[in-house]
Amino acid sequence: KQEVTQIPAALSVPEGENLVLNCSFTDSAIYNLQWFRQDPGKGLTSLLLIQSSQREQTSGRLNASLDKSSGRSTLYIAASQPGDSATYLCAVTGANNLFFGTGTRLTVIP
Amino acid sequence: GAVVSQHPSWVICKSGTSVKIECRSLDFQATTMFWYRQFPKQSLMLMATSNEGSKATYEQGVEKDKFLINHASLTLSTLTVTSAHPEDSSFYICSAPAPAGGNYGYTFGSGTRLTVV
Repeated sequence: KQEVTQIPAALSVPEGENLVLNCSFTDSAIYNLQWFRQDPGKGLTSLLLIQSSQREQTSGRLNASLDKSSGRSTLYIAASQPGDSATYLCAVTGANNLFFGTGTRLTVIP
Repeated sequence: GAVVSQHPSWVICKSGTSVKIECRSLDFQATTMFWYRQFPKQSLMLMATSNEGSKATYEQGVEKDKFLINHASLTLSTLTVTSAHPEDSSFYICSAPAPAGGNYGYTFGSGTRLTVV
């Protein structure tokens, strides 16, 4: 069964810093990988989607990479802002479902 | 596009009562809908998969008689928590595969915070 792990579980950085969130998965047979953001008590907002044939995707200050063979993805956030504070979840898509990581709680300190 | 509308966003109910949560795909047809539950500080856990016109598939450990799922149309799936207990208090969220040809991946409802008192 697919297992998705995110490291670190929590991260605190001062405003303006660049940061990297990590996601690893055990089964490389995935269709795609998706990064989400979740604010407390809110639903998920999709940030980036990487197809299994792609290596990276970019949106604004966000860049996500995917290395299927090693079972890893990273989410790079440039010039962090207090508004980036949230929990970030990665999810990999199998044949019929998503498998979620445990999330990284990010706090950007003004 | 590819919006899933989930209602209510929060609900408080008494122990023993039932609560219905609705998820509608607004601008696309969702033949499949996934229902997740999230306890505080934990990740989302899949509860069940609903398929339009057929019985839902429940994950191991999820009581099908307690969590009734109905997917009566291509745009509506409902989750009913029957005889709710305080331990059912959680955040429930639905998800549907985004339409092919546009954004692949999944689109999520905004979630329902259920508190059973």
